Amino acid sequence: AQSVTQPDIHITVSEGASLELRCNYSYGATPYLFWYVQSPGQGLQLLLKYFSGDTLVQGIKGFEAEFKRSQSSFNLRKPSVHWSDAAEYFCAVGTGTASKLTFGTGTRLQVTL
Amino acid sequence: NAGVTQTPKFRVLKTGQSMTLLCAQDMNHEYMYWYRQDPGMGLRLIHYSVGEGTTAKGEVPDGYNVSRLKKQNFLLGLESAAPSQTSVYFCASNQGGQGHQPQHFGDGTRLSIL
Repeated sequence: AQSVTQPDIHITVSEGASLELRCNYSYGATPYLFWYVQSPGQGLQLLLKYFSGDTLVQGIKGFEAEFKRSQSSFNLRKPSVHWSDAAEYFCAVGTGTASKLTFGTGTRLQVTL
Repeated sequence: NAGVTQTPKFRVLKTGQSMTLLCAQDMNHEYMYWYRQDPGMGLRLIHYSVGEGTTAKGEVPDGYNVSRLKKQNFLLGLESAAPSQTSVYFCASNQGGQGHQPQHFGDGTRLSIL
């Protein structure tokens, strides 16, 4: 069965600093990978996805992620964090069966001014 | 464009009561899903549907039932609520067909069972 690990429960960065959120997955075939962001009291919004092709994918709000098959990782990055990026971030792996998703436990990002 | 709409947004129940959560999507999506979100556990799939009239169990289906009588609606029922079902419930939809299509989420229903 597939699984997703987000090793960092909580991360604090200063505004303007760079950010990297880690995600490791376990899946037997080529994965479909997603990053979602959740602001307090809100639903999940898609940041970006990977399913084939270029291993560096660009998303909304200036985020990017790199798929590394050899490391089973799909880390999320942003070169300069804004205070509005404070939220919870979820990595997910999708299967071809009914497009179901398995989520990681999330990383809460705090941004200090 | 409303996307995925969940009602109600908040609800408090007593143990043993029943209720139904409604999810409606206006994107003509084939697939729909119900998740629960608990602190430190991410989102876990309760039930899902790959089309009108179909339902299937997810990871944590016990204590819940679902129905998809119309393509645009997906109902989640709690027959006899238990405190362990206190959670935030999210509905999502997906156009279906290929696994790389993303899911679109509603804003959630916050449910407390006393």
